[in-house]
Amino acid sequence: AQSVTQLGSHVSVSEGALVLLRCNYSSSVPPYLFWYVQYPNQGLQLLLKYTTGATLVKGINGFEAEFKKSETSFHLTKPSAHMSDAAEYFCAVRNTGGFKTIFGAGTRLFVKA
Amino acid sequence: EPEVTQTPSHQVTQMGQEVILRCVPISNHLYFYWYRQILGQKVEFLVSFYNNEISEKSEIFDDQFSVERPDGSNFTLKIRSTKLEDSAMYFCASSELDTEAFFGQGTRLTVV
Repeated sequence: AQSVTQLGSHVSVSEGALVLLRCNYSSSVPPYLFWYVQYPNQGLQLLLKYTTGATLVKGINGFEAEFKKSETSFHLTKPSAHMSDAAEYFCAVRNTGGFKTIFGAGTRLFVKA
Repeated sequence: EPEVTQTPSHQVTQMGQEVILRCVPISNHLYFYWYRQILGQKVEFLVSFYNNEISEKSEIFDDQFSVERPDGSNFTLKIRSTKLEDSAMYFCASSELDTEAFFGQGTRLTVV
């Protein structure tokens, strides 16, 4: 069965500091991996995705993530946090050829001035 | 840019009533989904729909729930005999074959 674990329900960084949000997954078959962002009272917006090919994927708003099969990880990073990055971030996994996307519990990112 | 549209944005209903949540998926997408997010909790898969039938459903999606694609554009989630614990944000999503899901803005359902 698929599952996603996000380490840290809350992460706080200073503006300009590195953002690192951790995600580990479990999947019996090669997965598709996603990061979604949710701003208050809004829907889920895709930040980036890994399907096949290059393991370092770049997304919107300066975020990127690296798929590490040996570590079953897909951590999200951004070199320099901005106040507008404050939101809830969800890591998600889907089996290739599968229908459902399984979400992690989410990590709320706080950015301090 | 194409987007998934959900109506209404907020629905308040009395316990025991039936509600229908509506979604217009992206027009060339073939796969449709409903997810639920109880306040402060994770996003949970409810059901996927393809070729006019349910392709997969979770244990949450019991006989109280049903989905329908009544015409070429709409995709609905019906919740019968609503309970207090059905209060949540419900997200509709759609996708092409084997790609990421695009989510709507959600319908906040409040059962009182």
